[in-house]
Amino acid sequence: AQTVTQSQPEMSVQEAETVTLSCTYDTSESDYYLFWYKQPPSRQMILVIRQEAYKQQNATENRFSVNFQKAAKSFSLKISDSQLGDAAMYFCAYVTSGSRLTFGEGTQLTVNP
Amino acid sequence: KAGVTQTPRYLIKTRGQQVTLSCSPISGHRSVSWYQQTPGQGLQFLFEYFSETQRNKGNFPGRFSGRQFSNSRSEMNVSTLELGDSALYLCASSSVPGREGAPLHFGNGTRLTVT
Repeated sequence: AQTVTQSQPEMSVQEAETVTLSCTYDTSESDYYLFWYKQPPSRQMILVIRQEAYKQQNATENRFSVNFQKAAKSFSLKISDSQLGDAAMYFCAYVTSGSRLTFGEGTQLTVNP
Repeated sequence: KAGVTQTPRYLIKTRGQQVTLSCSPISGHRSVSWYQQTPGQGLQFLFEYFSETQRNKGNFPGRFSGRQFSNSRSEMNVSTLELGDSALYLCASSSVPGREGAPLHFGNGTRLTVT
């Protein structure tokens, strides 16, 4: 079974500092995609960043970057220069095909002013 | 471009009743999927529709069903509601066909409370 594990239920960071959220996954597939989504209190899931497993280069999106270690099945998210608006629940997710995502349990990120 | 629209935002139903939730995808998106979010089970995949056909189904009982219309709008139905069906139901659309791993665009969800 495919599983996604986020070992940090809660994290906090000072505004303007850097924080890293952890994610590991388990799969026997060689071709897959990984995502980080954030869910603010508005409830809408918002895509933060996407990584294709066949690409060795780590994805980046402005202040957000990932550390993708395929052999270790690890996919951590680094948020640089944290802003108050980054406060949200962050979900790591995995998919092999279609829209059937497997999500982790989530990490609640608090940004302190 | 308008985002994914889910209606209603909130719903309160009684055990044994049935409920229908609606989802309008982003214009041009033909794939719609549904997820259930609860504090205990987290986010779980319900089903996915593409061009009016169910492509994939999660591990939910037959009380959970869905359909997709020719304009890509989708509905999900839950019959004989149970207390455990109380959850946030999220709909997502994507720009498939053919592009696996396409990011999903989510709506704001429907909060269903069963009493």
